Amino acid sequence: AQKVTQAQTEISVVEKEDVTLDCVYETRDTTYYLFWYKQPPSGELVFLIRRNSFDEQNEISGRYSWNFQKSTSSFNFTITASQVVDSAVYFCALSEDNNAGNMLTFGGGTRLMVKP
Amino acid sequence: DAGVTQSPTHLIKTRGQQVTLRCSPISGHKSVSWYQQVLGQGPQFIFQYYEKEERGRGNFPDRFSARQFPNYSSELNVNALLLGDSALYLCASSWGADYGYTFGSGTRLTVV
Repeated sequence: AQKVTQAQTEISVVEKEDVTLDCVYETRDTTYYLFWYKQPPSGELVFLIRRNSFDEQNEISGRYSWNFQKSTSSFNFTITASQVVDSAVYFCALSEDNNAGNMLTFGGGTRLMVKP
Repeated sequence: DAGVTQSPTHLIKTRGQQVTLRCSPISGHKSVSWYQQVLGQGPQFIFQYYEKEERGRGNFPDRFSARQFPNYSSELNVNALLLGDSALYLCASSWGADYGYTFGSGTRLTVV
């Protein structure tokens, strides 16, 4: 069975600090997909990134970066120079390979609070 | 293009009643999934439909049922509502696993 663990339930930082959100996953499949979603107070889950299990290259998108390490089953998310607008709940999720689309298994989420 | 649309946005029901939630996927997306998010937790998978067939079901009681229509829209039905069914119900659509999932804004169901 697949499982996603986000050990940090809540993180508080001051604006302009860097912050890393941890994600550890478990799966028996060799082909799988990892995701990060942002959930602002409005409730909608906003897609941030999708990474397949064969692509371990780290990715950077503006102030966001992701570190995928298969050896430790981790897919961590770093926000550089955080801003108040980054305040939200962030979810890491795992999906196993299925051409028809498949269920996402979510972690419990990390609530990030960025203070001015 | 319109995103995933869900209706209604908010709903209050009484214990024992039945509720139907609706979801319209992004145009061209054939896969629709439903998730339940209880306050303070991550979303939990309820159902996945692809091409009008059920492809997956989460650990939810038979009071929960769903279907997908020929236009790929979907309905989630919950019978005999319990207080514990109070949650945000999210719908997601996708081309398939390789393309990511787009979520709607959800229906917030309150059971009193």
